[in-house]
Amino acid sequence: GAGVSQTPSNKVTEKGKYVELRCDPISGHTALYWYRQSLGQGPEFLIYFQGTGAADDSGLPNDRFFAVRPEGSVSTLKIQRTERGDSAVYLCASSWGPNEKLFFGSGTQLSVL
Amino acid sequence: ELKVEQNPLFLSMQEGKNYTIYCNYSTTSDRLYWYRQDPGKSLESLFVLLSNGAVKQEGRLMASLDTKARLSTLHITAAVHDLSATYFCAVGEETSGSRLTFGEGTQLTVNP
Repeated sequence: GAGVSQTPSNKVTEKGKYVELRCDPISGHTALYWYRQSLGQGPEFLIYFQGTGAADDSGLPNDRFFAVRPEGSVSTLKIQRTERGDSAVYLCASSWGPNEKLFFGSGTQLSVL
Repeated sequence: ELKVEQNPLFLSMQEGKNYTIYCNYSTTSDRLYWYRQDPGKSLESLFVLLSNGAVKQEGRLMASLDTKARLSTLHITAAVHDLSATYFCAVGEETSGSRLTFGEGTQLTVNP
């Protein structure tokens, strides 16, 4: 596609539920990133994929968060047992390679009630 | 731990005026980015600065990087209303691979 696509754009869930957020990067981009942005803050790094493998997952806040990119293209961020503090905008970005300019998607607004 | 500080956090200015946004960071970096974010929208890349003394300009915006001072500036010349947005700097740490650390953002409002 022309840009990074994220679905859904909005997700409302109840505390304790499981959610999946999807990211479809720009075609040909090998690097994919997940960031989380809380209101009034800058994006916070979660995880970085180079190809299919997670090259850096040091930003994942705890073991409730997990992400996959099985075929080196689409990625899914999975959050188990959601908590109200997980509410934020989850941003996906892709680039041609490491250290290249990032192209961001429009984000998924996650609200945990 | 890399810390990135922007100032000011809020900036209200009149059309036609000039101003500078500052981005300080705490450890050695090999790359710095500036992004723009409109309300409810995602981030748009403005500049990529990769070396000491790098200067890039696009329209009314000019960004520079001083790696020795660990400082980048985003200068706005003759502001127009369309520049109203939040501006973020993001720093890549030499030892952290591809992760970026973002500043808190500077919310710019340009008044007619």
